[in-house]
Amino acid sequence: DQQVKQNSPSLSVQEGRISILNCDYTNSMFDYFLWYKKYPAEGPTFLISISSIKDKNEDGRFTVFLNKSAKHLSLHIVPSQPGDSAVYFCAAGGSLVGGTSYGKLTFGQGTILTVHP
Amino acid sequence: NAGVTQTPKFQVLKTGQSMTLQCAQDMNHNSMYWYRQDPGMGLRLIYYSASEGTTDKGEVPNGYNVSRLNKREFSLRLESAAPSQTSVYFCASSERGQGSHQPQHFGDGTRLSIL
Repeated sequence: DQQVKQNSPSLSVQEGRISILNCDYTNSMFDYFLWYKKYPAEGPTFLISISSIKDKNEDGRFTVFLNKSAKHLSLHIVPSQPGDSAVYFCAAGGSLVGGTSYGKLTFGQGTILTVHP
Repeated sequence: NAGVTQTPKFQVLKTGQSMTLQCAQDMNHNSMYWYRQDPGMGLRLIYYSASEGTTDKGEVPNGYNVSRLNKREFSLRLESAAPSQTSVYFCASSERGQGSHQPQHFGDGTRLSIL
């Protein structure tokens, strides 16, 4: 039972255009969401997060949108750059997910983003 | 500032061998985690430690044991390696425990192949 899903295994975008990565979740107890970026042979690095009390959070070229009623979040990258090419994971956590969460996160499968020059 | 350090970076084992993956963090974080990453599966939590002296099972704990040696170090042990445990293993840490919204910080992984 996959509680966090990224249904697009890959996305290809032209440099300068918008990249939109999507993520769906099923557990209504999740109350914060994060996006991580991962380059080959490196660990995931934190990109941006959003709390369930917000519907948008912005950090430079990166914006995360949260639609709680649809249990859907998305990451927008504008403008996309070749250096953004990586695997992007969404993750979800909660203060009370099956009890005490202790900061535990549930990850999606990842989406490979390729930005072409 | 090293962050989260994992050793070794690569390892090849034979079925039935044992080994311990080491992880250390220098950020004074309370919580530490072990994940495995397999193609198409994302990162799955094996074990976690909310604080020094405590450990709990995650999503896929079978075949693994962990030790929270002190606040800095959290090791993962495979007692009898199986081919199904071929994976990339990531250690992570975060600043606070219960109810925390702090992001986890990851090491660069250990690539483990079991023949």
